Amino acid sequence: KNQVEQSPQSLIILEGKNCTLQCNYTVSPFSNLRWYKQDTGRGPVSLTIMTFSENTKSNGRYTATLDADTKQSSLHITASQLSDSASYICVVSHSYSGAGSYQLTFGKGTKLSVIP
Amino acid sequence: EPEVTQTPSHQVTQMGQEVILRCVPISNHLYFYWYRQILGQKVEFLVSFYNNEISEKSEIFDDQFSVERPDGSNFTLKIRSTKLEDSAMYFCARPRLAGTNEQFFGPGTRLTVL
Repeated sequence: KNQVEQSPQSLIILEGKNCTLQCNYTVSPFSNLRWYKQDTGRGPVSLTIMTFSENTKSNGRYTATLDADTKQSSLHITASQLSDSASYICVVSHSYSGAGSYQLTFGKGTKLSVIP
Repeated sequence: EPEVTQTPSHQVTQMGQEVILRCVPISNHLYFYWYRQILGQKVEFLVSFYNNEISEKSEIFDDQFSVERPDGSNFTLKIRSTKLEDSAMYFCARPRLAGTNEQFFGPGTRLTVL
């Protein structure tokens, strides 16, 4: 069964500090892995998307890593800001048929709280 | 970035009633997706829609649900005879860019079944 597990479930950090969120997955066939940021009551917003051949990808203060062999990914947030408070969701895409169709499996997310 | 809009933003209905949730993509995309997120839980895939037909659906998407593109632009998710457990946020999504499989999510409709 395709699954995406994230840790920790929640995290509280001081403003300005760094943090790392973890994601393990068992999805086949693997297409790509994305990290989304979801503010409370809003739709997920894409931060990064990584394919099988990519190990690291950055988007501003966000840096994602992917180890396709161990099926693990991490999201590192540098110099956290109060506005970083949100749920961070790891999402793995797997192809299930032709014509570019695919399906997403979502993790439960890590709820990050950045405090002053 | 062309946006996806969803209406209504919040729908309250009585158990057993039918609801129709609407999604309007600004640009023309053949692929479209519906997701559900029960409060405090993860986002779950419901159905994908390709070229006016269901392409794939999850086990959640049973006979209670249906999707249509009634006027060639809007996409609708219909829930017949709503149940209490249908209370959730419902998101539609479209491919972010043509030819990619990155998705752009709408703001969601919060459905409350009483």
